[in-house]
Amino acid sequence: AQKVTQAQTEISVVEKEDVTLDCVYETRDTTYYLFWYKQPPSGELVFLIRRNSFDEQNEISGRYSWNFQKSTSSFNFTITASQVVDSAVYFCALRLRSGNTPLVFGKGTRLSVIA
Amino acid sequence: NAGVTQTPKFRVLKTGQSMTLLCAQDMNHEYMYWYRQDPGMGLRLIHYSVGEGTTAKGEVPDGYNVSRLKKQNFLLGLESAAPSQTSVYFCASTLGLFGGYTFGSGTRLTVV
Repeated sequence: AQKVTQAQTEISVVEKEDVTLDCVYETRDTTYYLFWYKQPPSGELVFLIRRNSFDEQNEISGRYSWNFQKSTSSFNFTITASQVVDSAVYFCALRLRSGNTPLVFGKGTRLSVIA
Repeated sequence: NAGVTQTPKFRVLKTGQSMTLLCAQDMNHEYMYWYRQDPGMGLRLIHYSVGEGTTAKGEVPDGYNVSRLKKQNFLLGLESAAPSQTSVYFCASTLGLFGGYTFGSGTRLTVV
């Protein structure tokens, strides 16, 4: 069975600091997909990124970057120069390619960015 | 483009009452899901559907039933509500098996 662990329950940073959210996953499958979602205070869930297990290139999108390392089964998310609008709960998720297995989510990390 | 619409947005039930949560998507998505979100627990899968007329159990299916009679709708039913079912319920859909999910805005259910 697959599992996603987000060890950081809550993080607080001061605006403009960089912050990294950790995600560690477990699976015996060799083909899978990793995701990050953002849940701002308004409550909706927003898709941020999908990464497949064969693509270990780091991804950068503006102030957001993702570091995927199969050797450590990690898919970490870094926000550079954080802003108050980044305050949200962030979820990491895993989906296997085999079968019809749906997304399995971590428990989330609550990020608070203080002005 | 409405995306995924959940109704109602809020509901208070008394223990033992029944209700149905409706999820509707207008994106012709094949796959639909019901999750519940509880503090410190993340999102846990209740039931899901891989196409019209199909349903399957997720991680926490007890106390819930679902139906997918039409491709665009996925209904979640509580036959006899219990306080343990107090939660925020999210519906999601996706076109392909491995794409990102599109989520509804959630239903906050309180069972007293």
